Amino acid sequence: DAMVIQNPRYQVTQFGKPVTLSCSQTLNHNVMYWYQQKSSQAPKLLFHYYDKDFNNEADTPDNFQSRRPNTSFCFLDIRSPGLGDAAMYLCATGHGKNIQYFGAGTRLSVL
Amino acid sequence: AQTVTQSQPEMSVQEAETVTLSCTYDTSENNYYLFWYKQPPSRQMILVIRQEAYKQQNATENRFSVNFQKAAKSFSLKISDSQLGDTAMYFCAFMTDFGNEKLTFGTGTRLTIIP
Repeated sequence: DAMVIQNPRYQVTQFGKPVTLSCSQTLNHNVMYWYQQKSSQAPKLLFHYYDKDFNNEADTPDNFQSRRPNTSFCFLDIRSPGLGDAAMYLCATGHGKNIQYFGAGTRLSVL
Repeated sequence: AQTVTQSQPEMSVQEAETVTLSCTYDTSENNYYLFWYKQPPSRQMILVIRQEAYKQQNATENRFSVNFQKAAKSFSLKISDSQLGDTAMYFCAFMTDFGNEKLTFGTGTRLTIIP
């Protein structure tokens, strides 16, 4: 039973064409995270929500935005994808100083 | 700022053998949390084991155990009786005890279990 669900698993977009990745959770966790993971590298935190409070990392490009309409859902919007944005995007949830639960990820390709 | 270092980019071991993955970290805090996460090929990342810094006893989860040396800022993972399903990327991670709940990851160790 998947607890953090990311859709789609694979996304192909064109250079400069906006794309949205989605994440949903059944854990009712108050914190949701978006990470970018490039091949054979550690996940890099882009931003996270603590309830409705949005927290952006200082080095996250303006090209990346996020929305969290309710506890269960969180979206990652890439306004104008570049070739360097091709990566695996991981969503995770958390509750307190504890385990983060990860989704299976969305692999984004930019043509 | 905290940093996490994994000095072994790749390791391989025969099935059923024991392997130890190294991790060191740097922090000025006294209370924090350490994690080992496992990311199998094309599958989601899952928690292997968690250690709270204020606990002296090393955490264990079945075949997985840690050697937590707080003074040395070292947090190694030992996998006993390794199995083919242990093949994965392993990330060491750090979380502070105050403020935001963000993980700082190491660069990972790719572990291959050889049949």
